Amino acid sequence: SYELTQPPSVSVSPGQTASITCSGDKLGNKYTCWYQQKPGQSPVLVIYQDYKRPSGIPERFSGSNSGNTATLTISGTQAMDEADYYCQAWDSSTVVFGGGTKLTVL
Amino acid sequence: EVQLVESGGGLVQPGGSLRLSCAASGFTFSDHYMDWVRQAPGKGLEWVGRTGNKANSYTTEYAASVKGRFTISRDDSKNSLYLQMNSLRTEDTAVYYCVRELATLSSWFDPWGQGTLVTVSS
Repeated sequence: SYELTQPPSVSVSPGQTASITCSGDKLGNKYTCWYQQKPGQSPVLVIYQDYKRPSGIPERFSGSNSGNTATLTISGTQAMDEADYYCQAWDSSTVVFGGGTKLTVL
Repeated sequence: EVQLVESGGGLVQPGGSLRLSCAASGFTFSDHYMDWVRQAPGKGLEWVGRTGNKANSYTTEYAASVKGRFTISRDDSKNSLYLQMNSLRTEDTAVYYCVRELATLSSWFDPWGQGTLVTVSS
């Protein structure tokens, strides 16, 4: 079965750039999306189709996908961005989620 | 406002059954494929399954972990999605989310409901 691998944790200082990776076999040939989940809340879509931002998502969130790795980048990270982040892709007609990355803003 | 509201969660014994519901509003429910995603306590997201719409004859797909035990259905006249869960196991304990697909291929999920907690325990 297809697997997506994320680092368990990433730390960043306020105002700096955070990068969260998601790796999978030939992932660049698939569309990837990203969800943000804060404690006690439901996930929220932040990036879809590799790099597109839904309305209401700040411009500091961006995405890319090439080769075997998709990347979520948060520029000028703010304390409010501290959350768990999950990547998601499709394998045939089933959905695969990455294991999630806890972003800590120190 | 697009909204998904899940209900029906609770405590059930191993081997038991439970039916979850999801009430949709603020969009044309019948147009969209719909999915269930779950999250065990302190764990990551796990896709449960999906149902298509009338155009694809309401085709369903399931994760291997629930196939043969869970059934997804919908009632477009009531703007509702359902998850019938049978032969429940302790490892099915999770918050279950109802989500809307926004594309017919390689879709993303938006929005997510608030979730309903299912606890399987004796």
